[in-house]
Amino acid sequence: QVQLQQWGAGLLKPSETLSLTCAVYGGSFSGYYWSWIRQPPGKGLEWIGEINHSGSTNYNPSLKSRVTISVDTSKNQFSLKLSSVTAADTAVYYCARVVIRIYYYGSGNVWSNWFDPWGQGTLVTVSS
Amino acid sequence: SSELTQDPAVSVALGQTVRITCQGDSLRSYYASWYQQKPGQAPVLVIYGKNNRPSGIPDRFSGSSSGNTASLTITGAQAEDEADYYCNSRGQRVVFGGGTKLTVL
Repeated sequence: QVQLQQWGAGLLKPSETLSLTCAVYGGSFSGYYWSWIRQPPGKGLEWIGEINHSGSTNYNPSLKSRVTISVDTSKNQFSLKLSSVTAADTAVYYCARVVIRIYYYGSGNVWSNWFDPWGQGTLVTVSS
Repeated sequence: SSELTQDPAVSVALGQTVRITCQGDSLRSYYASWYQQKPGQAPVLVIYGKNNRPSGIPDRFSGSSSGNTASLTITGAQAEDEADYYCNSRGQRVVFGGGTKLTVL
């Protein structure tokens, strides 16, 4: 059973760089994308970006200029860096495994994408 | 558009059936996945693919899709089903719906 454990600094000052790491235990690291998702207090989920074992990344366009996601396959870990943080970046940050599948039908193909499992979440607060 | 739209809040009487919907253009070519989130906890996957439940998710949870609308149905809602529910899809980019707060009366 795959488990994700994440860690990183929980309190930052404006303009600093957020840094979080997520370790994957008990399953295959290759063959999946690995993602970061955040949730501001009292609000919904926002996808930040993802990476696969080869280092191929996809980012949310709204955060792309400040986000770097990297992977360390030797440790089955992936990391998030978000630069120039502001109070608007205060949120619980989650890591999660991404599964992408395609279903083939005669009338056309349908894709599916899901996040499972999730890490425990890390509250990151940005305050001066 | 890559957005997914959910009703902010829905209520259901204990033991009754409730449908939570999610609308978006990407759902014409992507099955939605659905997540349950209780206060202070990480989201948990409840439905993925055409209509699949992960191990441990009760069979009262089911999913369906028609056109640009995906639905999560809870048949015989229980008190422990009270939570926020989010849909998710991947169109031009990965996106989550705004969430639906389910109250079980």
